Amino acid sequence: SQELEQSPQSLIVQEGKNLTINCTSSKTLYGLYWYKQKYGEGLIFLMMLQKGGEEKSHEKITAKLDEKKQQSSLHITASQPSHAGIYLCGASGGSQGNLIFGKGTKLSVKP
Amino acid sequence: DAGVIQSPRHEVTEMGQEVTLRCKPISGHDYLFWYRQTMMRGLELLIYFNNNVPIDDSGMPEDRFSAKMPNASFSTLKIQPSEPRDSAVYFCASSFSTWGTEAFFGQGTRLTVV
Repeated sequence: SQELEQSPQSLIVQEGKNLTINCTSSKTLYGLYWYKQKYGEGLIFLMMLQKGGEEKSHEKITAKLDEKKQQSSLHITASQPSHAGIYLCGASGGSQGNLIFGKGTKLSVKP
Repeated sequence: DAGVIQSPRHEVTEMGQEVTLRCKPISGHDYLFWYRQTMMRGLELLIYFNNNVPIDDSGMPEDRFSAKMPNASFSTLKIQPSEPRDSAVYFCASSFSTWGTEAFFGQGTRLTVV
């Protein structure tokens, strides 16, 4: 079965610093999703990547998909306290229909 | 649409009792997913449905867990009997498709079994 590994597991950065979170799949990625979760709440969709080499941005968050390496990265520029939370990558199993997630990266931003 | 609606938001029950979690997906969505989230194991896929039919229940931990989707607008996850190790946050999510569309999550049900 497909597995997603995220790194790092947790991250503490100073406000204004850049950071990168990585997601590696054990199998070919048909679709890669990034979600954000705040404690005690549901997951909020950030971005979806489907094509190798695809890159998307939303405000100060950029995600890339390297299909050959079965990896994706999430980059936050000039982090703010509002960026704090748990970031999860998710992957679709293609025709199988399932949607699985990595264990998440907990991000703390110190003001 | 109000989004994916889960109930209850919090549930505290005694070991051995039956627990039923409920989910109303977004209208028109063909897929419904049940997840369990714990600190140790992260977000685990328990089961998912396509057009009300269970497709893959390999993530259901034990026979004590069962899920149903009697119609397109309602699903339940039942634990009978419940055990302390079942304590977790349970999420329901729905999507129009697994290709090219995101899944929308409910706010979750925090289950505590004492």
